[in-house]
Amino acid sequence: GENVEQHPSTLSVQEGDSAVIKCTYSDSASNYFPWYKQELGKGPQLIIDIRSNVGEKKDQRIAVTLNKTAKHFSLHITETQPEDSAVYFCAARKRGKLIFGQGTELSVKP
Amino acid sequence: NAGVTQTPKFQVLKTGQSMTLQCAQDMNHEYMSWYRQDPGMGLRLIHYSVGAGITDQGEVPNGYNVSRSTTEDFPLRLLSAAPSQTSVYFCASSYDSGSPGANVLTFGAGSRLTVL
Repeated sequence: GENVEQHPSTLSVQEGDSAVIKCTYSDSASNYFPWYKQELGKGPQLIIDIRSNVGEKKDQRIAVTLNKTAKHFSLHITETQPEDSAVYFCAARKRGKLIFGQGTELSVKP
Repeated sequence: NAGVTQTPKFQVLKTGQSMTLQCAQDMNHEYMSWYRQDPGMGLRLIHYSVGAGITDQGEVPNGYNVSRSTTEDFPLRLLSAAPSQTSVYFCASSYDSGSPGANVLTFGAGSRLTVL
């Protein structure tokens, strides 16, 4: 089955810096790659997603890139702000199953 | 429009007890799923359903049962609770269209379960 590895597990940046979180997946049949943000005490919420036929997608300060050949995808957050502090999860979907990575705890220091 | 509602929010059980975590959604979503969240292990899929009467196993199904008698409800049953099932449980739902980008998961607020 699908396996998703996410790195790093924790990431600390200064406000205004960029943050990058990387994920790899194992099953080349996976065709949808969302990223979720989880704030303390809440359920995860989708922040951006990408399909397998697209290489890059951007939404204001966040962007996701996908390399199908290498089977990895990344989340990029520019101009980080304290409210970006949260746990971020990548995921890969194949035939009804959405498999998540282990999560990255992002801390943005003012 | 309540979205995905999970009950209870907190529960303490003794080893061997049984209980059911309830999940209901009012968005007419075909797809529903249960995840457990443990430190350092992310969200792991327990069971999922693509419609009423249809369920399938995820990554960590052992010790859990599910059923889907209606589109709205997807309860998760622990038949004989074990300390290893101490976790935060999330129910999530989505449409199940042929376009993967349309299948955005909406999560509930979570249920924290402690098994002593």
